[in-house]
Amino acid sequence: KAGVTQTPRYLIKTRGQQVTLSCSPISGHRSVSWYQQTPGQGLQFLFEYFSETQRNKGNFPGRFSGRQFSNSRSEMNVSTLELGDSALYLCASSKGGDAFFGQGTRLTVV
Amino acid sequence: AQKITQTQPGMFVQEKEAVTLDCTYDTSDPSYGLFWYKQPSSGEMIFLIYQGSYDQQNATEGRYSLNFQKARKSANLVISASQLGDSAMYFCAMRAYNFNKFYFGSGTKLNVKP
Repeated sequence: KAGVTQTPRYLIKTRGQQVTLSCSPISGHRSVSWYQQTPGQGLQFLFEYFSETQRNKGNFPGRFSGRQFSNSRSEMNVSTLELGDSALYLCASSKGGDAFFGQGTRLTVV
Repeated sequence: AQKITQTQPGMFVQEKEAVTLDCTYDTSDPSYGLFWYKQPSSGEMIFLIYQGSYDQQNATEGRYSLNFQKARKSANLVISASQLGDSAMYFCAMRAYNFNKFYFGSGTKLNVKP
């Protein structure tokens, strides 16, 4: 069965721009969560969606937002990009005890 | 509060030997899951093994086993017969059961020497 798919794999954006990242979970998985990974802060939880509803939210500014569609695919959006937003963004697809991650989107803000 | 601690920033192991990566955790959730993931330089987080807090037996997946000691709140990963391809970052993670919100440790960088 297909794994978790994140697109795009790589992105370069300029400060002040906005960006949208996509995550398609494993078929049948209704929960998607997002993480930011940086060398300094490690892996930090952004938010979790379940059946199109945000169930949990981490400590990130309002510039970071997300949504989930009826087919469980999820998007996260970052507006007014800052240099510090450069990171690997990972999403995790889950059903019950299973949890699998995508390959990540590496965002570079210049 | 939930917290995961990995005290080994880096480790070396000889090819074909076994290695143990340490992980301790703290949580107030009565039911939780413990995970280990491998992250090569490509960035993908690869699932290795899972242990539920109510599982009586330690989890095993091929060359990976999880040494779960609930009273000590530890969940160490044991890799038997290390291979060169095992060189990567390893993360211990925890979440409340049925919630997709992970808490991660800081990771251990494993280097397998030929």
